Amino acid sequence: EVQLVESGGGLIQPGGSLRLSCAASGFTVSSNYMSWVRQAPGKGLEWVSVIYSGGSTYYADSVKGRFTISRDNSKNTLYLQMNSLRAEDTAVYYCAREVQGVATNWGQGTLVTVSS
Amino acid sequence: EIVLTQSPGTLSLSPGERATLSCRASQSVSSSYLAWYQQKPGQAPRLLIYGASSRATGIPDRFSGSGSGTDFTLTISRLEPEDFAVYYCQQYGSSPREGTFGQGTRLEIK
Repeated sequence: EVQLVESGGGLIQPGGSLRLSCAASGFTVSSNYMSWVRQAPGKGLEWVSVIYSGGSTYYADSVKGRFTISRDNSKNTLYLQMNSLRAEDTAVYYCAREVQGVATNWGQGTLVTVSS
Repeated sequence: EIVLTQSPGTLSLSPGERATLSCRASQSVSSSYLAWYQQKPGQAPRLLIYGASSRATGIPDRFSGSGSGTDFTLTISRLEPEDFAVYYCQQYGSSPREGTFGQGTRLEIK
């Protein structure tokens, strides 16, 4: 059974850093496209970043230069390093497994709150 | 960048009725790379439809997708109480990925 479990969210001050993790089971992270999607409170879905099976990475303009997506193949885990956090980064962050670009499996999400 | 616009913003219907949700793209979506997701409060999104019209595993056949080019539709033939949720369309056939999701349609009980 495919399972994704995010962790690492919490309350962080503006300008701070946080690393989100997404532990996967039932499939191999490195063989799939993996993405992060976020949802601000009461708002819609916003694509954040993707890492392809070959290792290429892409980011939304809103996070480019501040966020870094990566994976640890030995741990079968996806990460999102978030630096220089802003109030507008407050959201639930979901990791998702993609099959040909479609997010077929989602984690339960982890809440990041950026506030002083 | 392809922009997806969903309509209506909110749809109020009763159980047993038919729901028709629209997703319009600012330019043609290549090879019908259009997906639909359902999201209930406090839950992660769930994939319903991909490739514009293919149902994901385990999705009831009352859900159907159609369309091509710039106009796509999600139809729920007979609404069940558990279908009341927010629905998002997503295009996944082009780069960049900005704007990949529509803004959502809230389907509420009338």
